[in-house]
Amino acid sequence: ETGVTQTPRHLVMGMTNKKSLKCEQHLGHNAMYWYKQSAKKPLELMFVYNFKEQTENNSVPSRFSPECPNSSHLFLHLHTLQPEDSALYLCASSQDWLAGANEQFFGPGTRLTVL
Amino acid sequence: DQQVKQNSPSLSVQEGRISILNCDYTNSMFDYFLWYKKYPAEGPTFLISISSIKDKNEDGRFTVFLNKSAKHLSLHIVPSQPGDSAVYFCAASEGGNEKLTFGTGTRLTIIP
Repeated sequence: ETGVTQTPRHLVMGMTNKKSLKCEQHLGHNAMYWYKQSAKKPLELMFVYNFKEQTENNSVPSRFSPECPNSSHLFLHLHTLQPEDSALYLCASSQDWLAGANEQFFGPGTRLTVL
Repeated sequence: DQQVKQNSPSLSVQEGRISILNCDYTNSMFDYFLWYKKYPAEGPTFLISISSIKDKNEDGRFTVFLNKSAKHLSLHIVPSQPGDSAVYFCAASEGGNEKLTFGTGTRLTIIP
């Protein structure tokens, strides 16, 4: 596998379910990101991890819980979501959060539908 | 309030002609700008960037122009090719950090 991979690609869940999104980067990067893209809205940054430490939480509700066990893996744990949380969730990575504005490499995203 | 705006949701251009995609921003602290391209079922891919110390950056068929006084940037693609059909996102950051603020995107369709 190369680049940034995300699983699953599609997920349908009920409001009482608990599920997790997984992201893995094979680029040797040290910063990883979760973004949310809702219909007709810009990509919204949710969380940033730099060297496994969370450096940014963009006022995201606690029903979204990120986990970064190492620099290559990032999870987004989901519980008691609302229908308005239905969106495309994108993971990205970059060399280093503090190294200056470098391009971020994105995964293909997980299309989440909350019923 | 959106700090990065792409006011044209879609654009159609004849193959071989120039495509011009526009982006406006409101935050005067933004000092680094990027363009990303997105195909269906794929994540955005980096295309080209420009620092606020420059007013132009060129990479092959792609050129980005920055007008700081107008808080406006544009992406020129010439000549346009069918493979350029995609959604293009403008993004900006401030202070050299990697927190990107994105626009809503412009869907470019190249007509053969």
